[in-house]
Amino acid sequence: AQKVTQAQTEISVVEKEDVTLDCVYETRDTTYYLFWYKQPPSGELVFLIRRNSFDEQNEISGRYSWNFQKSTSSFNFTITASQVVDSAVYFCALSEGTGRRALTFGSGTRLQVQP
Amino acid sequence: GAVVSQHPSWVICKSGTSVKIECRSLDFQATTMFWYRQFPKQSLMLMATSNEGSKATYEQGVEKDKFLINHASLTLSTLTVTSAHPEDSSFYICSARDPSGMTDTQYFGPGTRLTVL
Repeated sequence: AQKVTQAQTEISVVEKEDVTLDCVYETRDTTYYLFWYKQPPSGELVFLIRRNSFDEQNEISGRYSWNFQKSTSSFNFTITASQVVDSAVYFCALSEGTGRRALTFGSGTRLQVQP
Repeated sequence: GAVVSQHPSWVICKSGTSVKIECRSLDFQATTMFWYRQFPKQSLMLMATSNEGSKATYEQGVEKDKFLINHASLTLSTLTVTSAHPEDSSFYICSARDPSGMTDTQYFGPGTRLTVL
């Protein structure tokens, strides 16, 4: 069965520091999708990225970057020059197959960015 | 991007009453919708998968007679919490699958916060 592990329960950094959120996944499928979502205090999930299992290219979007390594089953997320507005809970998730199945979420990492 | 709405955004009810939560896909037809539950400071857990025109598939441990799911149209799924109790207080989030693109994409609603007194 699929599983997503986010070992970091809570991280606290000072503004402008870089921070990496770890995500390790388990699946027997060769086809799957990985996701990162941000959940601010309002509760609404904010989609950040989706990556399919055949695309191991790292991605950068502004201050955000993602490192996908199938060899270690990891999909880590780095925020460069963190800002107070980045404070939220971040979830890594996995969907096996071609995107038709529900997402399995990790336990989340609460990021606090101090001014 | 596609939009999924939920109504209500929050609800407070007395123990023993039933509460209905609606999940709508606003600009696409969703053949499948998923319902998740999130307890405070916890992750999202899948409750059930709802397919239009057929019975929902519930995850292990979720009482189908307590959490009634109806997916009567391609744009609407409802979750009814029957005889709600304080332990049902949670954040309920739906997602809708849009199969129309080159790859299936799921969109999440904004969530419904249920408080049972």
